[in-house]
Amino acid sequence: GIQVEQSPPDLILQEGANSTLRCNFSDSVNNLQWFHQNPWGQLINLFYIPSGTKQNGRLSATTVATERYSLLYISSSQTTDSGVYFCAVSYSSASKIIFGSGTRLSIRP
Amino acid sequence: GAVVSQHPSWVICKSGTSVKIECRSLDFQATTMFWYRQFPKQSLMLMATSNEGSKATYEQGVEKDKFLINHASLTLSTLTVTSAHPEDSSFYICSAPRQGPHEQYFGPGTRLTVT
Repeated sequence: GIQVEQSPPDLILQEGANSTLRCNFSDSVNNLQWFHQNPWGQLINLFYIPSGTKQNGRLSATTVATERYSLLYISSSQTTDSGVYFCAVSYSSASKIIFGSGTRLSIRP
Repeated sequence: GAVVSQHPSWVICKSGTSVKIECRSLDFQATTMFWYRQFPKQSLMLMATSNEGSKATYEQGVEKDKFLINHASLTLSTLTVTSAHPEDSSFYICSAPRQGPHEQYFGPGTRLTVT
């Protein structure tokens, strides 16, 4: 089956710093999403980005489907950005999605 | 955005009892829903695909007789953990894909503790 790898596994930053999270996947996919899991476990949709670049405030994401990777950028980090960031992919629109192992981000004040 | 709810948000039960968890899509219909399990500090692992009007499809290694799934309507799927044991204690999360642009939306999760 498809493999999804995320790096780095852990990241500790000071408030105000910028970060780049990476997601590599082993096969061609039609769907890719980035999620933030908050301390209470809720998964929050950040981006639906099977290809191209999107921006939403301090966050942006880029997926290069032909090279099978996606990047999530977080600028001017805030303590509320702390949590686990997951990349998840699927082959088609309503098929099961496979999660990466996640990046645990800690932002220190 | 699309909303998926789960009930209960947390439950504590005794070993040997059964627990039912509900997953509802509140503002869209979902012919397919997915159930995941997440252990502490780990990623989400897909357990099964819930199909409205037909049997669920279970992932390899998931006991279908232990984790009963029923997708009774286009907005409701239930997961019943039968004869629960302490090793079933986990965080259970459901999701549903919404048509156009087919994003997956996740419920808030149910934390199950079996004593």
